[in-house]
Order: sequence, then C-alpha cells, then structure tokens
Amino acid sequence: EAQVTQNPRYLITVTGKKLTVTCSQNMNHEYMSWYRQDPGLGLRQIYYSMNVEVTDKGDVPEGYKVSRKEKRNFPLILESPSPNQTSLYFCASNFGSQAFFGQGTRLTVV
Amino acid sequence: SQQGEEDPQALSIQEGENATMNCSYKTSINNLQWYRQNSGRGLVHLILIRSNEREKHSGRLRVTLDTSKKSSSLLITASRAADTASYFCATDARNDYKLSFGAGTTVTVRA
Repeated sequence: EAQVTQNPRYLITVTGKKLTVTCSQNMNHEYMSWYRQDPGLGLRQIYYSMNVEVTDKGDVPEGYKVSRKEKRNFPLILESPSPNQTSLYFCASNFGSQAFFGQGTRLTVV
Repeated sequence: SQQGEEDPQALSIQEGENATMNCSYKTSINNLQWYRQNSGRGLVHLILIRSNEREKHSGRLRVTLDTSKKSSSLLITASRAADTASYFCATDARNDYKLSFGAGTTVTVRA
C-alpha cells in the first residue's frame, strides 16, 4: 500500500530535549516536505527536499532541521524544542503537485 | 505564507443537501487542489484543477476555477455523514511543488 509513515503519532516532551520525528514513504517520490498545522492558520511548510541531499527552508523553518540521506526518509529534528513548537506536524511526499500526507504527529512541548 | 482563504469557516448542513465552499487566493497559480481532513488526521487529496481549466468533476465533487477572480469553489452534492471533515484548498504557484494552504472550512453533516 502506498503510504507516508510518521512516527511517533503523539509525543510529549520537555523544553530543550532534542527529538526527531521520522517520516518514510514507499512511493519513490523525489519531493518531500514537512508542515505544521495550527488552529486558524492552516498548514505552513517548514522544510522541503527536492531530492536526496537537497533540502531548503519553507515558510517557518526556525527551530527545525531536516536531512535527506535516502530517498524514502525525511526526518524532522527539533534540537531544542520550545513550547511555541507545540503543534500538529505532517510529513508529505509529492507526485507532481499532488501531496500524500502522513497521519500526523501531535507534539506537545512543556 | 497563507495563499488561500476558505469561506465560510464553518458550514452545517443536513444529510442529502449540497455543500459549497469557496477559496480565494492572491497570486498567480499553476494548480489548485482541494484536500479533506478528518478530525486531526492526515490530509487526503480530493481533486486538482489546473490553471487553464474552468471546471472539474469527480464523483459527487465539482470544482470550479475562476483565475480572473482568483477564486475556486468546491461543491459536494448529496452530502453524507461521512463528508463531515475540514476541507482545504491548496495552490502551487511555481514548479517546485510547494503548496500554500488556506485555513480550511469545517463541514458538519447532520443525520
């Protein structure tokens, strides 16, 4: 089954404790991205990757890092999480303009 | 940046009725898409309309696009309880596939 898999689905952490949210797709897509969703703001792109070893900032990159060492994986790293990064996060991979989304990771930073 | 804005923010209808929601955007686009999101879950692609198309159908969905007004509408006919969800429009303006989303319309279909 074609899918984008994120882990974990839920995460509660403390301020400053580094964390990684994993994302994997099995559709051989070149383009992958991370979004955060906050009430009333829709989805905002954090980072994207056009292909292996090619990443770039989206609209809200501050406080986040990504890497793309393999085509299928695109982890999101929060090196020092803060409460304003509490949000619902989505990974997506694209076939052309059409995005396929993971199930989301609900992150709470206390 | 938030490119699209959906209207209304929320919509409540009776099962069997039609639901219409609108999306306005600010800059020129290549494509406009509609996605559905069930309560806190991942977004699911519904339909894509290209900038040179004016209308598109998929099952009970009808999408129109008016590039002169920079607006689109999504019509869901004969709604069902399972259509209860949030609906988002998303535009891409360049060939880098970046999508800009609106804040969404929350649709509730009452049985």
